Amino acid sequence: QKEVEQNSGPLSVPEGAIASLNCTYSDRGSQSFFWYRQYSGKSPELIMSIYSNGDKEDGRFTAQLNKASQYVSLLIRDSQPSDSATYLCAFTVGYSSASKIIFGSGTRLSIRP
Amino acid sequence: DAGVTQSPTHLIKTRGQQVTLRCSPKSGHDTVSWYQQALGQGPQFIFQYYEEEERQRGNFPDRFSGHQFPNYSSELNVNALLLGDSALYLCASSTGTGDQPQHFGDGTRLSIL
Repeated sequence: QKEVEQNSGPLSVPEGAIASLNCTYSDRGSQSFFWYRQYSGKSPELIMSIYSNGDKEDGRFTAQLNKASQYVSLLIRDSQPSDSATYLCAFTVGYSSASKIIFGSGTRLSIRP
Repeated sequence: DAGVTQSPTHLIKTRGQQVTLRCSPKSGHDTVSWYQQALGQGPQFIFQYYEEEERQRGNFPDRFSGHQFPNYSSELNVNALLLGDSALYLCASSTGTGDQPQHFGDGTRLSIL
């Protein structure tokens, strides 16, 4: 079983709609979860971090975490063409100073006008 | 506030050669992690440095080695280059423990001929 699973896409969403991105992970001990956005030819940019079960909102972005189901998602409301990018989920493996961050392979999101 | 800086931006090498990539972390950060990102894949963890020591390592051969200096900057060295080492090499910095969000530099694009 892969450590992290993401649908590679592409996911096509009309402008103004809600984009929903999903990620499952295998390590039940993971405590920290992150979503990164990566534009083509650029480096990953941190969008959200989430550490507790439930929802965390930041502007048009909402991260959702369910540790029992080992599932994390990202919702993007009022999608804009500038949201077209690859979205990477990431989570920690190990504890505290002995931990490292593992990335998924990313979901390509395309916002159509 | 300077972010993470990497040099060089692009590099072309031939098989069997050696390469050194450099990274300066974001101001206030003391932990540096290195990642390899192949086209269409997520970043793969190489290793992490803290207090001038390798704290964590991913599944990469000993040809990949690194160093961290007292000013927290870091180098990634790769010996005996293979065609498969062609990738984007990303440096990310963070604070303290390994489970903190990573902030990425723009990367070094390494091409092996």
